Amino acid sequence: GAGVSQSPSNKVTEKGKDVELRCDPISGHTALYWYRQRLGQGLEFLIYFQGNSAPDKSGLPSDRFSAERTGESVSTLTIQRTQQEDSAVYLCASSRRGQGDEAFFGQGTRLTVV
Amino acid sequence: AQSVSQHNHHVILSEAASLELGCNYSYGGTVNLFWYVQYPGQHLQLLLKYFSGDPLVKGIKGFEAEFIKSKFSFNLRKPSVQWSDTAEYFCAVNGNTGGFKTIFGAGTRLFVKA
Repeated sequence: GAGVSQSPSNKVTEKGKDVELRCDPISGHTALYWYRQRLGQGLEFLIYFQGNSAPDKSGLPSDRFSAERTGESVSTLTIQRTQQEDSAVYLCASSRRGQGDEAFFGQGTRLTVV
Repeated sequence: AQSVSQHNHHVILSEAASLELGCNYSYGGTVNLFWYVQYPGQHLQLLLKYFSGDPLVKGIKGFEAEFIKSKFSFNLRKPSVQWSDTAEYFCAVNGNTGGFKTIFGAGTRLFVKA
């Protein structure tokens, strides 16, 4: 596709429910990132996929968070037993691997836990 | 540890004032440096990047940044800001030692008064 696509764009869920967020990266981009942006705060790194390498999960805040990516395509971020503090915009970005390659961002999924 | 530090969280300027946003990084090895911008209601997008060559990099809309390796800095500058520059600005770094994982700073919110 022309850009990084995320779905849904908005999600309201009840506390304790599980949610799944989807990211379609730009075709040919081997690297994929998930970030979280809480209201009024900066970008918080969550997880990084690079080709067939083991993902860097060092930013996942708890074991309620997990992410998968099949090959160099779609990625899903799953949050189990959602809490109110999970409310944020979840951003996905992709890039080609290589020196100087920029990250292209999706429009984000705004998650609200009520 | 890999990190990016942006010194100013909020900046308020009048139109035509000069701008300098500070960015320092901690990242081993050869680095690539980026500034991204997020205008209200829009995606994060690349403003400029450095990966080799001239340490003074020029980007879109009259922005520039200078890579000073000895100071681990990549400050963003613009001689004369406009109201339309109101946005949030993020400094970011990646490099070969980190598998090109991109780390972002916390962001600086710039408000330009007309």
